[in-house]
Amino acid sequence: KNEVEQSPQNLTAQEGEFITINCSYSVGISALHWLQQHPGGGIVSLFMLSSGKKKHGRLIATINIQEKHSSLHITASHPRDSAVYICAAPSNTGKLIFGQGTTLQVKP
Amino acid sequence: GAVVSQHPSWVICKSGTSVKIECRSLDFQATTMFWYRQFPKQSLMLMATSNEGSKATYEQGVEKDKFLINHASLTLSTLTVTSAHPEDSSFYICSALLRQAYTDTQYFGPGTRLTVL
Repeated sequence: KNEVEQSPQNLTAQEGEFITINCSYSVGISALHWLQQHPGGGIVSLFMLSSGKKKHGRLIATINIQEKHSSLHITASHPRDSAVYICAAPSNTGKLIFGQGTTLQVKP
Repeated sequence: GAVVSQHPSWVICKSGTSVKIECRSLDFQATTMFWYRQFPKQSLMLMATSNEGSKATYEQGVEKDKFLINHASLTLSTLTVTSAHPEDSSFYICSALLRQAYTDTQYFGPGTRLTVL
């Protein structure tokens, strides 16, 4: 069992839909990262959060430390949101452990 | 947010040549940088941890003589793929660690796509 698991692995949505990607982790963490990787490969750090909720534009990330679970929400999704979304948690040694990624395709 | 750059963004080389990839933290100093490798449709795999002024720490299975890492300054780490072969073709990503009072954050570079012919 992976220490960081994401679901779903693949997600197709229509433009405008509300999207949720989930991440569960078994390592003890100080913070959890949400990353976005576009088809060209470049990685953008979306959020780093250790409690509660963060919002940036149409993106919202929440985390429940007790349940070891985090969600990334996209409101009013757009085709340009199509990308791979990755959650990553620091292990006890500080190294990041990555989820397997969620491939999102938003159709116009 | 903090910015990390990589150069080149892509490179094509002949088998047997060496390729150097640079990773720079543009607006902060990073004593620690990380080098990752990513195969198609797979997640990032940590290759090594680069520490300024000291030797890099390599993950198990990563050949240190093959992948030379130099962290000569607080804003620059380089990865040199020596005697590259087609199996070294991959997407290489670096990140730089920003240490703050209560938390550490990794900021990722845009990646370098290496194709070895």
